[in-house]
Amino acid sequence: EVQLVESGGALVQPGRSLRLSCAASGFTFDDYGMHWVRQAPGKGLEWVSGLSWNSGSIGYADSVKGRFTISRDNAKNSLYLQMISLRAEDTALYYCAKTYSATLYDAFDVWGQGTMVTVSS
Amino acid sequence: EIVLTQSPGTLSLSPGERATLPCRASQSVSSSYLAWYQQKPGQAPRLLIYGASRRATGIPDRFSGSGSGTDFTLTISRLEPEDFAVYYCQHYGSSPLTFGGGTKVEIK
Repeated sequence: EVQLVESGGALVQPGRSLRLSCAASGFTFDDYGMHWVRQAPGKGLEWVSGLSWNSGSIGYADSVKGRFTISRDNAKNSLYLQMISLRAEDTALYYCAKTYSATLYDAFDVWGQGTMVTVSS
Repeated sequence: EIVLTQSPGTLSLSPGERATLPCRASQSVSSSYLAWYQQKPGQAPRLLIYGASRRATGIPDRFSGSGSGTDFTLTISRLEPEDFAVYYCQHYGSSPLTFGGGTKVEIK
C-alpha cells in the first residue's frame, strides 16, 4: 500500500525551530517529486515547498522562503522540512504529498494525513 | 505568481443535480497543468483531475474537467451524497505552485 506518514509536529514558541519528517512506503521513493502543503485551521490549502526526485529542482512559497528548507533522503525513503524563525501564521496542519512523476511540476496523487504545527507563546 | 480564483465560495445543490465549479487563473496556465482536488472534513485532499481533464485513478466518471488558458471547470454530472465536500483547483506548471481558495458544495 502506498503510504505517507508525517511526524514532528508540535506546539512551539514564536522564533523557535522545528523539523518535520515524512516517511514513505509502498512505492519507489526516488522516482518521484515530493511536496509539503499546509492548511491553517478552517482555511484553504497553501503550497509550501517541493523538490524533484534528486533534489535538483526545488521551490518555495514566498511566505516561507529563507526560513524553511526542504530536503529528502532517498536511502531512507524520507522527506523533511526544516523550519526556523517560526511565526504564528505558520500554524497549520502540514501535509506531505507525492507527485505523479520525477519532477516537482506535477499533480499530487498521494497525500499523508498531516502533522500539526502550532506556533504560540 | 499565478492566482487562482474560485467563485462562488459555496454552492448549495441537491443530490442528483449537476455541479459546475469554475476556476479562473490570473495568467495562462501552461500545458494545462491544472488539477482538481476534493477534501472532506478531517481528511486529506484527494486528487480528482490532472492535466485539466484527465481523471485520476479510481475517480468515477461523473467527475470531469475542462478548460484551457485561464478558464477551467470541474463538473459533477449528478451529485451523490458522498460528493458534498470542498473542491480546490491547483496550478502546478511553475513555481510557486498555487491553489484556489476552494468551493464548498453543500446540501441544499
